[in-house]
Amino acid sequence: EAGVVQSPRYKIIEKKQPVAFWCNPISGHNTLYWYRQNLGQGPELLIRYENEEAVDDSQLPKDRFSAERLKGVDSTLKIQPAELGDSAVYLCASSLAPGLYNEQFFGPGTRLTVL
Amino acid sequence: GESVGLHLPTLSVQEGDNSIINCAYSNSASDYFIWYKQESGKGPQFIIDIRSNMDKRQGQRVTVLLNKTVKHLSLQIAATQPGDSAVYFCAENPPAGYALNFGKGTSLLVTP
Repeated sequence: EAGVVQSPRYKIIEKKQPVAFWCNPISGHNTLYWYRQNLGQGPELLIRYENEEAVDDSQLPKDRFSAERLKGVDSTLKIQPAELGDSAVYLCASSLAPGLYNEQFFGPGTRLTVL
Repeated sequence: GESVGLHLPTLSVQEGDNSIINCAYSNSASDYFIWYKQESGKGPQFIIDIRSNMDKRQGQRVTVLLNKTVKHLSLQIAATQPGDSAVYFCAENPPAGYALNFGKGTSLLVTP
């Protein structure tokens, strides 16, 4: 079974440029998460989707970040414009359902460097 | 070897020794805890979990202990192997939510 797929794996951009990350969750997983992981830190949730609905986006900086999951499968996370402080690894995870004890499976992440 | 988790981010042990990684969690109402392993360039990988109605759970070579009185979680790895070298995170799931709160992680280095 394929795991969570993310692309690109690495991205280097200059500040003020836009950037987008793509995630394909495990087949059949209705819940999708985007996390940001700063160097030496644990992941922090940005947004959680149940199918195509964003049910928790309280930690998403909405002035520059946006996300979508139009058909309830793949998802895209966008930053526009990027700032130096956005350099981090952006992780996508999915789970079968939103229940408390449903294991979250993580993708390899996209490492973003903003110069 | 033993770490104090957030206050000692690196733990070095010899191959074959037992490792203990510690974590202090913040929310006394959290009722579900997970240990993740993260290797370089990869996403976190589930190792073992424990619910708040338990104080110990064992897996293959790993044991998680939960002390709710002092809000402390530990991960014990028996007979540590070079493949265990990674960063280990504890995560708590507070009630009434599905977002995991991750600790800062402990880097485990296994030397031959």
